[in-house]
Amino acid sequence: AQSVTQLDSQVPVFEEAPVELRCNYSSSVSVYLFWYVQYPNQGLQLLLKYLSGSTLVKGINGFEAEFNKSQTSFHLRKPSVHISDTAEYFCAVTLGGAQKLVFGQGTRLTINP
Amino acid sequence: EPEVTQTPSHQVTQMGQEVILRCVPISNHLYFYWYRQILGQKVEFLVSFYNNEISEKSEIFDDQFSVERPDGSNFTLKIRSTKLEDSAMYFCASSGAEQGVSPLHFGNGTRLTVT
Repeated sequence: AQSVTQLDSQVPVFEEAPVELRCNYSSSVSVYLFWYVQYPNQGLQLLLKYLSGSTLVKGINGFEAEFNKSQTSFHLRKPSVHISDTAEYFCAVTLGGAQKLVFGQGTRLTINP
Repeated sequence: EPEVTQTPSHQVTQMGQEVILRCVPISNHLYFYWYRQILGQKVEFLVSFYNNEISEKSEIFDDQFSVERPDGSNFTLKIRSTKLEDSAMYFCASSGAEQGVSPLHFGNGTRLTVT
């Protein structure tokens, strides 16, 4: 069975600083990988996904993530954050098809001015 | 951009009562899902629905839960006899094709409070 670990429950950073949100997964087979963002009082919005091909994936709002198969990681990065990036970020994996998404526990990103 | 809409945004009910959470998926989508998030915990898969039947369900989705697509536009989750531990945020999602090819679009959720 797949599982997802987000190592940091909270990450505070200053505005315009870079940020990395860590995600590790475990699976015995190939998976699809996703990052979702949840702004306050809203649903989950897809930031980016990795299905195959290039291991560096670019998403919306300047975010990118790198798939590292040997380290079973899919860390999310942004070179310069804004106040508006304050949200909860969820890493998720699936085997694809109509299979369920398995989520990590989420990382709360707080941007300080 | 089309959205998944969920109603109500907040539902309060007494233990033992039945609740129905409603969702309107994106109109041309074929795959439908319910997830829930208990406060402070992970988002958990409940059930997936395709071609008018359940395609997968989790251990959480016991006989107290059921889903229905009654009219071709709504997708409902019914909890027959609510328990305190059913208190959570419930998210509906839909996708146009198999996951991975077409990622899930989530609604804003219904916060269910069981007292």
